[in-house]
Amino acid sequence: AQSVTQPDIHITVSEGASLELRCNYSYGATPYLFWYVQSPGQGLQLLLKYFSGDTLVQGIKGFEAEFKRSQSSFNLRKPSVHWSDAAEYFCAVGVRGGSNYKLTFGKGTLLTVNP
Amino acid sequence: IAGITQAPTSQILAAGRRMTLRCTQDMRHNAMYWYRQDLGLGLRLIHYSNTAGTTGKGEVPDGYSVSRANTDDFPLTLASAVPSQTSVYFCASSADSGSVTQYFGPGTRLLVL
Repeated sequence: AQSVTQPDIHITVSEGASLELRCNYSYGATPYLFWYVQSPGQGLQLLLKYFSGDTLVQGIKGFEAEFKRSQSSFNLRKPSVHWSDAAEYFCAVGVRGGSNYKLTFGKGTLLTVNP
Repeated sequence: IAGITQAPTSQILAAGRRMTLRCTQDMRHNAMYWYRQDLGLGLRLIHYSNTAGTTGKGEVPDGYSVSRANTDDFPLTLASAVPSQTSVYFCASSADSGSVTQYFGPGTRLLVL
């Protein structure tokens, strides 16, 4: 069965600093990969996704992620963090399971941004 | 704005009571999902529906039931709530069962006492 690991439960960065959130997955083939963001008290918003092709994908809000097959990773990056980026970030793997696709989520990384 | 709406936003419920969480989408998506989010456990799938008239069980279906009478609505019912069902519940949808990208509603925060 597939699984997703987000090794960092909580990360704190200063505003304007660069950011990298780690995500590792376990799956026998190349999965569909996603990053979602959840602002406090809000639902999950899709940041970006990787299906195939270019391994560096661009998303909304200036985020990007790179798929590295050799490392089974899909890390999320942003060159300069804004205070509004403070939120919880979830990595997810989508695989075909029976009649539809199933999303398996990591447990999330909480991002705090210091002024 | 097109999307998913959920009601209520939050609810405090006495154990043993029946509760229905509502979910409506206006994107004409065929597939819909219910997840629960618990601290340290991430999101777990409760039930899903590939199309109107069909439903299926997810990872944690016990204590919950769903129905899908039409494309837009996918209510989740707790027949007799228990404290372990205290959670944040998210409804999601995808264009169809062949689409892997899911879009989420704002969630319902439920406290069962």
